[in-house]
Amino acid sequence: AQTVTQSQPEMSVQEAETVTLSCTYDTSESNYYLFWYKQPPSRQMILVIRQEAYKQQNATENRFSVNFQKAAKSFSLKISDSQLGDTAMYFCAPTRPGSQGNLIFGKGTKLSVKP
Amino acid sequence: DTAVSQTPKYLVTQMGNDKSIKCEQNLGHDTMYWYKQDSKKFLKIMFSYNNKELIINETVPNRFSPKSPDKAHLNLHINSLELGDSAVYFCASSQSSVSGNSPLHFGNGTRLTVT
Repeated sequence: AQTVTQSQPEMSVQEAETVTLSCTYDTSESNYYLFWYKQPPSRQMILVIRQEAYKQQNATENRFSVNFQKAAKSFSLKISDSQLGDTAMYFCAPTRPGSQGNLIFGKGTKLSVKP
Repeated sequence: DTAVSQTPKYLVTQMGNDKSIKCEQNLGHDTMYWYKQDSKKFLKIMFSYNNKELIINETVPNRFSPKSPDKAHLNLHINSLELGDSAVYFCASSQSSVSGNSPLHFGNGTRLTVT
C-alpha cells in the first residue's frame, strides 16, 4: 500500500521567517502528481501547490515552493516570509496509483506562525 | 458561487439514527469523492464516483451508502449511526484524468457528532 510520511507533527515559525515542511512517500509509479493542501482553523481544505513527477523543475506559487527529489521520494514544502495567515495544518498528498486522481494524504503537520 | 457545497455544516445525532449529508458541485467536474477526517486530522478516502458510477469503495461499513443522482451531486447516507462515526466528512470533486493531474476541490466539511 502506498504510504505518505510527514515526520513533523507540529512546527512553529516566527512571522517573516522561512520554514520547510517535510514529506516522503512510497510509490511504484513512474508518473504521478503531488499536492500540498492547507487546512486553517476554518476547516477548509485549500490547494497550496502542485508538482508533476516527470518535471524536474520545482513548482513555485508566490511564497510557496517545493523541493522535489524524485529518486528519494521526497516532496518538501518551503514557505518564505511566513505570515500569520499561514497558520494551519499542512497535508502532503501524492496521487494514488491508477486511481484517476484519488489522493493519499499524510497525517499532516500543524504549523503555527508566531508574531 | 460556491464551487463545492455540502450540507449540513454540523450534524448532531444519537446512536442508531439514520442521517444524510448532501453534496453538490458547480465546477462541471465528473468525479466526486467522500473523505473522512478523524479526530487526529487523518484524511481517508471513502468513496469515489465518476459520471455517477462508483469507482472507489474503500473498506467502509455497508451502513454507509453513497448515492449519485447525477454527476454534480454525491450524497452520503449513513444508517444506524455509531459513536465511531463521529468525524468531519468532506466532499470533493475533480476533473477526471488518468494521469491524476487535476486537483481536488473540497467542500467545507460536515462535522458529525454521534452521542
